[in-house]
Amino acid sequence: DAGVIQSPRHEVTEMGQEVTLRCKPISGHDYLFWYRQTMMRGLELLIYFNNNVPIDDSGMPEDRFSAKMPNASFSTLKIQPSEPRDSAVYFCASRKTGNPEAFFGQGTRLTVV
Amino acid sequence: LAKTTQPISMDSYEGQEVNITCSHNNIATNDYITWYQQFPSQGPRFIIQGYKTKVTNEVASLFIPADRKSSTLSLPRVSLSDTAVYYCLVGDKGNTPLVFGKGTRLSVIA
Repeated sequence: DAGVIQSPRHEVTEMGQEVTLRCKPISGHDYLFWYRQTMMRGLELLIYFNNNVPIDDSGMPEDRFSAKMPNASFSTLKIQPSEPRDSAVYFCASRKTGNPEAFFGQGTRLTVV
Repeated sequence: LAKTTQPISMDSYEGQEVNITCSHNNIATNDYITWYQQFPSQGPRFIIQGYKTKVTNEVASLFIPADRKSSTLSLPRVSLSDTAVYYCLVGDKGNTPLVFGKGTRLSVIA
């Protein structure tokens, strides 16, 4: 398996634009997590899904952020409109029920100017 | 989720053994202790998980005392490539979402 695949790896956008980050989890994994990492706030859990259903989105910073998982092999994190303070590295991770090991993607480095 | 406390940073010379201790005073009966490692510009990577006593794998050892209120990750003979941030997490074995604290930034010096 190629692991968790995220795209794009880097994204530079202007304030106010819509940004969509994509994630393909490892096949057979039923948990998917979205994280955001900054120097100031560390690694924050934004939302996670189980069997494509959002379980906890309490970490989503505000209504500008939304996430979907239309099927077991794909998830998106959307920011609309984007703001400079959204600049961060966004990680997607997946895990199989009962297994302690979560696998992270390479991350998407988002810069909003 | 049980709160964890670990040192913000540590320095070590190459070839030395490094021990990183994590405090988790409010650990629940069903909780496991899990450690992750994060290299710069990469996502975290699972290192080891344990419930009690000692667990060892090819990367590290995890020591957990009987009261389970703390744990120690031991890295034998570190090299420059072990420079990373190490996170201690506490939760049930596989179903609780992974909540990361600030971690311990380990710098290995030649």
